[in-house]
Amino acid sequence: SQQGEEDPQALSIQEGENATMNCSYKTSINNLQWYRQNSGRGLVHLILIRSNEREKHSGRLRVTLDTSKKSSSLLITASRAADTASYFCATEYSGGGADGLTFGKGTHLIIQP
Amino acid sequence: GAVVSQHPSRVICKSGTSVKIECRSLDFQATTMFWYRQFPKQSLMLMATSNEGSKATYEQGVEKDKFLINHASLTLSTLTVTSAHPEDSSFYICSARAENRENQPQHFGDGTRLSIL
Repeated sequence: SQQGEEDPQALSIQEGENATMNCSYKTSINNLQWYRQNSGRGLVHLILIRSNEREKHSGRLRVTLDTSKKSSSLLITASRAADTASYFCATEYSGGGADGLTFGKGTHLIIQP
Repeated sequence: GAVVSQHPSRVICKSGTSVKIECRSLDFQATTMFWYRQFPKQSLMLMATSNEGSKATYEQGVEKDKFLINHASLTLSTLTVTSAHPEDSSFYICSARAENRENQPQHFGDGTRLSIL
C-alpha cells in the first residue's frame, strides 16, 4: 500500500537555485531510496540511505534521514535545467524477505532556465 | 552498472487481447524481480514479486489470474495481462536487484506503456 508522502507535490525554481524535497513514511525500514523519473521513462536510482545513517552525499545530492520522525529530505544544489523530472522516495520494509519498494507520491521538479 | 531491459516499450491493442511484457536483467542474475504499475501523474504501486522457479507473490487487490507472472530463468520475468480492458491501461515497470539481499538499490526497466482501446 502507498505509504509515503512527499512535499511539495510540485516545485518550480530558477536554474542555479537549490531544490529541497521531503518525504515521510510510516513503517520501520531497512533503508530509504530516492529515484528520479523523466516523463514516460523508467526510474533512475539516485541514492540509498540505510536506517542507521543520518546523512549521505552524492555529487550535488544530499539526503538526510530522521528515523525518529520517519522522514527524509533530498537536496539538489546548484540546480540545472536537466534536473527537471519527478523525484520519488521509496522505502524498503525491515520485515525481512525480498520485498518490493513502497513509493511516495513524488515531487515534480521544474527547473526554469 | 546493472541494466534491466523491458520490452515492448509501448503496446496499443484492442480490448480482450492478452499482452505479454518481458523484463530481462542483462548483465546480472536476478532471483527476484518486481512488477509495478503507475497511473498518469501518480506514484508506482507494487503489483507482485516475481520469484525464479516458484510462484509469484501478489500484493493485496492484484488479481493473479489477471496478471500472470512467470520467472522461468535467472534473467527473465514476464508479466501477461490477460483479456485486457481499458481500465488496465497503465505504465508497467519492472525492477530487479543485482544482489538479492537487503540494502541494495533496485534497477528499473524503462517501462511499458499499455493502451487498451
